[in-house]
Amino acid sequence: EIVLTQSPGTLSLSPGERATLSCRASQSVSNNYLAWYQQKPGQAPRLLIYGASARATGIPDRFSGSGSGTDFTLTISRLEPEDFAVYYCQQYGSSPRTFGQGTKVEIK
Amino acid sequence: QVQLQESGPGLVKPSETLSLTCTVSGGSISGYYWSWIRQPPGKGLEWIGYIYYSGSTNYNPSLKSRVTISVDTSKNQFSLRLRSVTAADTALYYCARDFGYSSYFDYWGQGTLVTVSS
Repeated sequence: EIVLTQSPGTLSLSPGERATLSCRASQSVSNNYLAWYQQKPGQAPRLLIYGASARATGIPDRFSGSGSGTDFTLTISRLEPEDFAVYYCQQYGSSPRTFGQGTKVEIK
Repeated sequence: QVQLQESGPGLVKPSETLSLTCTVSGGSISGYYWSWIRQPPGKGLEWIGYIYYSGSTNYNPSLKSRVTISVDTSKNQFSLRLRSVTAADTALYYCARDFGYSSYFDYWGQGTLVTVSS
C-alpha cells in the first residue's frame, strides 16, 4: 500500500500568512489521484482538492494544490481565521486508498 | 444536498461484533460507491471498505478478514459489520460517498464514536 507522509506535523502561522503543506508518497500516485481534506474539531473532513490540483465545489481560490508523482503540495495563499484546522492528503490511485497522518495549521 | 447519517451502538464489548448503519438522504444510493472510514481518537484516517449499490465490495486488506459491508437500496442504507473487535477498533466511524470507483470522498457523515470496552 502507498504510505503518505505529511509535513510538517504542525504549522504555526498568523492570519494573512501563506501556508505550504507537503504530502510525500512512498511510490508514485497513479494519474496524480491525490485529494486534500480539511477537518475542524468535531466535524467530518471536507473535500478541498482532487486530482492534485482541482478545487472542489465551493472551495475558495486561496486554496491551491500542486505536484505530481510522489510529491504534492497544498497552499493556502492568505490564511483566514476559519482556515486553522487539520489537513489530510489521500491517494486514490491504488487500493487500498490511504491517508496521510495530517498537518495541523494553528494560530501563532 | 446529499446527507449521510451513521447510527448504531456507541459501546461494544471486546470479541463482539460492531454494527453500524449509514442512512443516505437527499439523493439515491443507486449508482454510487459508498465507503466506511474510521479515525481512532487523536489519530489519522483509515479507509475500511466500500460497497457499490449493486452489492459488490472491496475491503482494506488490513481488516478484510473481519469486515462485511452490505447495502439495502430499498431503505437507502448501507451497513458495516466488524467482527471480533478489540480496543484498537475504538474510533470515530464515518460513512462517506465515493465520487466514483475507488475515488475520493465528496460527502461524509458526521461520524459516530464507537468504544470497545467491557
